Formats: sequence, C-alpha cells, structure tokens
Amino acid sequence: DGGITQSPKYLFRKEGQNVTLSCEQNLNHDAMYWYRQDPGQGLRLIYYSQIVNDFQKGDIAEGYSVSREKKESFPLTVTSAQKNPTAFYLCASSIGNGPYEQYFGPGTRLTVT
Amino acid sequence: DQQVKQNSPSLSVQEGRISILNCDYTNSMFDYFLWYKKYPAEGPTFLISISSIKDKNEDGRFTVFLNKSAKHLSLHIVPSQPGDSAVYFCAASGSAGNKLTFGGGTRVLVKP
Repeated sequence: DGGITQSPKYLFRKEGQNVTLSCEQNLNHDAMYWYRQDPGQGLRLIYYSQIVNDFQKGDIAEGYSVSREKKESFPLTVTSAQKNPTAFYLCASSIGNGPYEQYFGPGTRLTVT
Repeated sequence: DQQVKQNSPSLSVQEGRISILNCDYTNSMFDYFLWYKKYPAEGPTFLISISSIKDKNEDGRFTVFLNKSAKHLSLHIVPSQPGDSAVYFCAASGSAGNKLTFGGGTRVLVKP
C-alpha cells in the first residue's frame, strides 16, 4: 500500500524546545514538501526537496530546518526560533520536478505552550 | 500578496444540486491548476487538474473550467452529495517548477 506517513498525529511541546516531525513516503517520488496550515487559511510552503541531499526554502522557512538524506524521508525540525509554531503541518510528495500532482500525508498537529 | 484567491470562504448547497467553487489568480506564469479536497485534521486529497492549454477538464462529477484571459478557474460538482462537504483548495504552479501556491479554501456544506 503506497502512501505518505506522518508521525505522530498530535505533538505537544514546551516553548523553547526543538521538535522534529517525521515524513516517510514509499511512492518512489523524487520531490517532497512541507506545508503549514493555520486555522481558516490555506497551505503555505515551508521547504521542498526535489532530490536527495538537496532542498530549497519555501515562502515561510524562517525557524524551520529540514534534511533529505534518503529518498523516502524528509523530516522537518521546528526550532525554538519559530515565533508561532502551533499549527497543522502537512508533508507531500510528487513524482518530480514539473507540474505534477502532490500527494499529501495525514498531517501532524503541533501545539507549543 | 495573495497570488491565488478564493473569495468565497463558504458555500451551502442542497444535495443533488450543483456546487460551483471559484478561484482567481494574479501570476501570469501559472500554467497548471489543481483542486484539492480536505476534511478536518486530514491531508488534502487531489481531485482534478487542468493545464493552461485546455479550458475544461472533466472527471466524473467534477469539472474544472479555466479562463486564462480572466485568470479565473472554477470547479463544478454535479450532483453534489453529502460526502462532498469539506474544504476545497485551488492551487497553481508554473511549468518551470513544482511549487504549488494555494488559495485560502472554500468550505462546502451539502445539505441532505
């Protein structure tokens, strides 16, 4: 069964702590993405990676970091520098560079208090 | 600057009738457009897409129309079903890359 998994579904952290969100895909997709959704808003791109060992900043990369050491994995670290980290985080993947559909994971809701 | 806008935050429609969702964009470099459906606390699900070389694409109950001169696209759902109640996002990308820019979403409620 191919797809994208994100874990955990819900995550709680204290302010000032870094936290890493997991994203794994077994679709053999080259490109992976991280988005953030806030209540009543659309999705905003944080980081994306078109190939292993390479990634680019999206529209709201400040306070976040990523790595892409394996094709199937694209973890996102929310650092203490992110001013408003509480949000719903979505990971996606697509076949590769170009106008392709992106397929999304189930999301992780992060709450920082 | 919002490059993709969905000006109607919500839409209510009777079961069996047509749902029409609208989306406007400002970036003339966008040439590929997608619609996604999203339930609360879940990831978006791809519905349908259209390339700028077309003005219409149909898939079952879903049809997307593109008016390039007006920089406007719409999604028609016919007939609407209660299971269609969700938030719908339009998204756009340029052929030079695979970044998607999303609109703010339209919440659809289909009443039985």
